[in-house]
Amino acid sequence: DAGITQSPRHKVTETGTPVTLRCHQTENHRYMYWYRQDPGHGLRLIHYSYGVKDTDKGEVSDGYSVSRSKTEDFLLTLESATSSQTSVYFCAISPALAGVVDTQYFGPGTRLTVL
Amino acid sequence: SQELEQSPQSLIVQEGKNLTINCTSSKTLYGLYWYKQKYGEGLIFLMMLQKGGEEKSHEKITAKLDEKKQQSSLHITASQPSHAGIYLCGAGTGTASKLTFGTGTRLQVTL
Repeated sequence: DAGITQSPRHKVTETGTPVTLRCHQTENHRYMYWYRQDPGHGLRLIHYSYGVKDTDKGEVSDGYSVSRSKTEDFLLTLESATSSQTSVYFCAISPALAGVVDTQYFGPGTRLTVL
Repeated sequence: SQELEQSPQSLIVQEGKNLTINCTSSKTLYGLYWYKQKYGEGLIFLMMLQKGGEEKSHEKITAKLDEKKQQSSLHITASQPSHAGIYLCGAGTGTASKLTFGTGTRLQVTL
């Protein structure tokens, strides 16, 4: 298994509070991704990173921000959590070269509930 | 944007039976990836197909890519309870190093 962990694995929070999810890898891969998975929508890309301090938006980036200060860590922040952000969040990593598609390896997921 | 449609959405088969899951793209495929997800867990990479006509196998699972039809199929031979889960296909979007995913096929294997 690719060395990828997510923390926390489960979190319950209240509307309006900030939340930060962490993704940590030990593979030294360039690309890291944050997805959310919801019934009927499948996996949707939130943000991704192609290097330290290099990030870009995915298809559902509103309400989310990310940061990558080290190769191994990719943080996803919900500035002010809303109930619509209740979901399962997955981090993925990829050894892809710049602009080339390659296999993505997924973490175990974080189940977030916003009350 | 590219869309991937999987069929069927769900499937119940008896142990020992064969089954096929299809993944059809609305645009040209730049690599096709198959993943399996057990309930409540992360996605496990199964295999990747890149060239039209390519076929790969892993244990009792075989995937094929028909590039002209913008379609891939995943075939499981002699299904077992361990095959149960959600199967997702993902495809390169041709932009950066991103994948788009289908909504998944839920497979149940009965004894």
